[in-house]
Amino acid sequence: GDSVTQTEGPVTVSESESLIINCTYSATSIAYPNLFWYVRYPGEGLQLLLKVITAGQKGSSRGFEATYNKETTSFHLQKASVQESDSAVYYCALGDLPSGSWQLIFGSGTQLTVMP
Amino acid sequence: NAGVIQTPRHKVTGKGQEATLWCEPISGHSAVFWYRQTIVQGLEFLTYFRNQAPIDDSGMPKERFSAQMPNQSHSTLKIQSTQPQDSAVYLCASSGNTGQLYFGEGSKLTVL
Repeated sequence: GDSVTQTEGPVTVSESESLIINCTYSATSIAYPNLFWYVRYPGEGLQLLLKVITAGQKGSSRGFEATYNKETTSFHLQKASVQESDSAVYYCALGDLPSGSWQLIFGSGTQLTVMP
Repeated sequence: NAGVIQTPRHKVTGKGQEATLWCEPISGHSAVFWYRQTIVQGLEFLTYFRNQAPIDDSGMPKERFSAQMPNQSHSTLKIQSTQPQDSAVYLCASSGNTGQLYFGEGSKLTVL
């Protein structure tokens, strides 16, 4: 079936350190998967961080980057230097927009804490 | 612009009681989604509507759960005869033409 697996949290890093949150997917029923990172900051709703529709492309937002790698079925989230304000729960998600289905399959989420 | 509004934010019910959760999507958005979040299962898709019509309810438990979208300004998720295992955060999201989901803050249901 279709699924998403991501780094199990919680993850704790110090401010200005680099970060990588791993995400791999399985898309057995989706011909052209789309990949997303959503983030939930404390006290806020889940919101889109970045998305990549086409394999081989990179998405970026707020200093975060993720490259859609079809060969390794991965979409790892990276940031070179994290800030305390990046503390949040991050979710990798798999979609199938080209088919007209807007349903997303989410990973289990990774709680990130950035220490000052 | 107001985001997706979910009410109530917290609901406590006794086992066997009914719970109704409300969602007001972002004005102009054509699609509304319901997800359920638990520690064990994570974020699970339940159902979604587009232009008020049910499109996919493959994630909905076959018994006791129902969702409706009587007009473009709100959707409801109803759980009959609630059970402790229904305790979760229920998230509503809406989407416009891009397919990007905008989530509400969720309704936390606790079944005693």
